[in-house]
Amino acid sequence: GAGVSQSPSNKVTEKGKDVELRCDPISGHTALYWYRQRLGQGLEFLIYFQGNSAPDKSGLPSDRFSAERTGESVSTLTIQRTQQEDSAVYLCASSLAAQTLNTEAFFGQGTRLTVV
Amino acid sequence: KNQVEQSPQSLIILEGKNCTLQCNYTVSPFSNLRWYKQDTGRGPVSLTIMTFSENTKSNGRYTATLDADTKQSSLHITASQLSDSASYICVVSDYGGSQGNLIFGKGTKLSVKP
Repeated sequence: GAGVSQSPSNKVTEKGKDVELRCDPISGHTALYWYRQRLGQGLEFLIYFQGNSAPDKSGLPSDRFSAERTGESVSTLTIQRTQQEDSAVYLCASSLAAQTLNTEAFFGQGTRLTVV
Repeated sequence: KNQVEQSPQSLIILEGKNCTLQCNYTVSPFSNLRWYKQDTGRGPVSLTIMTFSENTKSNGRYTATLDADTKQSSLHITASQLSDSASYICVVSDYGGSQGNLIFGKGTKLSVKP
């Protein structure tokens, strides 16, 4: 696709339910990143993929959070048993590759998650 | 610990005025530094990217500078416009892979008033 696409753009869910957020990176981009941004706050790193592998999961806040990537393409971020503190915008970015000079990361528009 | 600090946290200026945003980092080893613009409700968009050998880079009315010795960068906005109102985020890459190579600052929120 022309850019990074995220779906849904908005999600309202009840506390305790599971949610799945989807990210379609730019075709050919091997690196994919997930971030969380709470209202008025900076970006918080969650996880990144190089290909289908996740070398760094250090940002996942709890074991309720998981992510996978298949076919070096689509990635899903799953939040189980959602809590109100999970309410935030979840941003996805992709780049040609991680760990190289001048690699630019392109961001999607984000999924706004509201847990009620 | 690799960190990126930005100042000021927020800034209000009048349309047509210039402003300068600051970024200090402790990231090592250093690979490159980027400035992103994030409009409210949108994803960040890249403005400039500089490696250690570059001192300055311009993108229209935006000019970024980098001093790799003092580990400081600045983003200068000339003749500000209302559309410049956004958060400006400094991102430093630590060539070595932590966090996928991208360390984010918390951003400076710029408001341009008529």
